[in-house]
Amino acid sequence: AQSVAQPEDQVNVAEGNPLTVKCTYSVSGNPYLFWYVQYPNRGLQFLLKYITGDNLVKGSYGFEAEFNKSQTSFHLKKPSALVSDSALYFCAVLISGGYNKLIFGAGTRLAVHP
Amino acid sequence: DTAVSQTPKYLVTQMGNDKSIKCEQNLGHDTMYWYKQDSKKFLKIMFSYNNKELIINETVPNRFSPKSPDKAHLNLHINSLELGDSAVYFCASSQGPGGPVDTQYFGPGTRLTVL
Repeated sequence: AQSVAQPEDQVNVAEGNPLTVKCTYSVSGNPYLFWYVQYPNRGLQFLLKYITGDNLVKGSYGFEAEFNKSQTSFHLKKPSALVSDSALYFCAVLISGGYNKLIFGAGTRLAVHP
Repeated sequence: DTAVSQTPKYLVTQMGNDKSIKCEQNLGHDTMYWYKQDSKKFLKIMFSYNNKELIINETVPNRFSPKSPDKAHLNLHINSLELGDSAVYFCASSQGPGGPVDTQYFGPGTRLTVL
């Protein structure tokens, strides 16, 4: 079965420190991976995606993610966290083939403390 | 300019009622989706329409009926509402299947509370 795992329910980081939100995947074939962010009482906003090519993908708001095929991981990173980055982050894998369906991880709550 | 919009934002209703949620996208996309986010924030796809044709139906109860009058609109009608239907419902749209670069863009969500 194709799935995405986010092993941490919550990640706590001090403002200015680097942050990492972890994601691992299990898919057959080539993985198409996404990160979305959900701010309180808001919809999901697209951050970045990996389709092919460079393993380091840059996205919105200074976020980037590193695709690691051998570790089946797609961790989200940012060099210097901001308090405003505090939100719920979702990793997802796109299942394609006649239709496109996103399978989401359970989400990781990021709390950035001043 | 709102890309994917949903109405209403909040919906509070009694068990047994019938209600509808509307979704519109102005991105020119061919495909639209409904997702349900439960109280634990878990997101799961419910339906997808491509050019007004149903292409994904994730074993959702028959009480849920999506309707797509045109490719810019996908409405969700729910009959005989139950307590377990309380959730946030997100609409999304994308260019459509057939290519790996398909990015889904989400609406702001509709919080449904069934009393």
